[in-house]
Amino acid sequence: NAGVTQTPKFRVLKTGQSMTLLCAQDMNHEYMYWYRQDPGMGLRLIHYSVGEGTTAKGEVPDGYNVSRLKKQNFLLGLESAAPSQTSVYFCASRGIYLQTQYFGPGTRLLVL
Amino acid sequence: DQQVKQNSPSLSVQEGRISILNCDYTNSMFDYFLWYKKYPAEGPTFLISISSIKDKNEDGRFTVFLNKSAKHLSLHIVPSQPGDSAVYFCAAKGGANNLFFGTGTRLTVIP
Repeated sequence: NAGVTQTPKFRVLKTGQSMTLLCAQDMNHEYMYWYRQDPGMGLRLIHYSVGEGTTAKGEVPDGYNVSRLKKQNFLLGLESAAPSQTSVYFCASRGIYLQTQYFGPGTRLLVL
Repeated sequence: DQQVKQNSPSLSVQEGRISILNCDYTNSMFDYFLWYKKYPAEGPTFLISISSIKDKNEDGRFTVFLNKSAKHLSLHIVPSQPGDSAVYFCAAKGGANNLFFGTGTRLTVIP
């Protein structure tokens, strides 16, 4: 039981490049989330999903897209990376009847 | 506008003493509160939570207190141990899905 895993752990991009961050969970959770954490700030919600095939915008969705084609996976895409997207990205999941979100180890992204 | 605030960026405590971490919130609609602990290069891990219908929840060395009238919660760790050294985030649940996080307090427990 790995919990929530994230791929990759670290990535360097040039401005304008695209990439996809992968989140996978093996807890059969319905809800999944993508957050970003920046220095001096708490975690901020980018997008979330309440089930397979559904997505919704969070607090800071601009510049990101997401997809939830399978229940266990939640993908975060950056179509054209900008230096302002340099951050640490965390994925989380929770069960439908639970309040607690469980987090992955994070992906550190540097956009030059 | 930050709806959940942790005004102390850091706290140092001697091993064996009590650590008290504070958190304030502005939205009276928040109905559930959580504390997460984060070590460097790892994701946040759930520590303890409290529903808005309670004023105290205890789990071993960790106790969370909620004062709804003051919109304030605190996390007490007693006795503090060096392994407790980490960044602690307070979070509040608003609506069905969103968690709003504070900026974190870095706790250092000195042996």
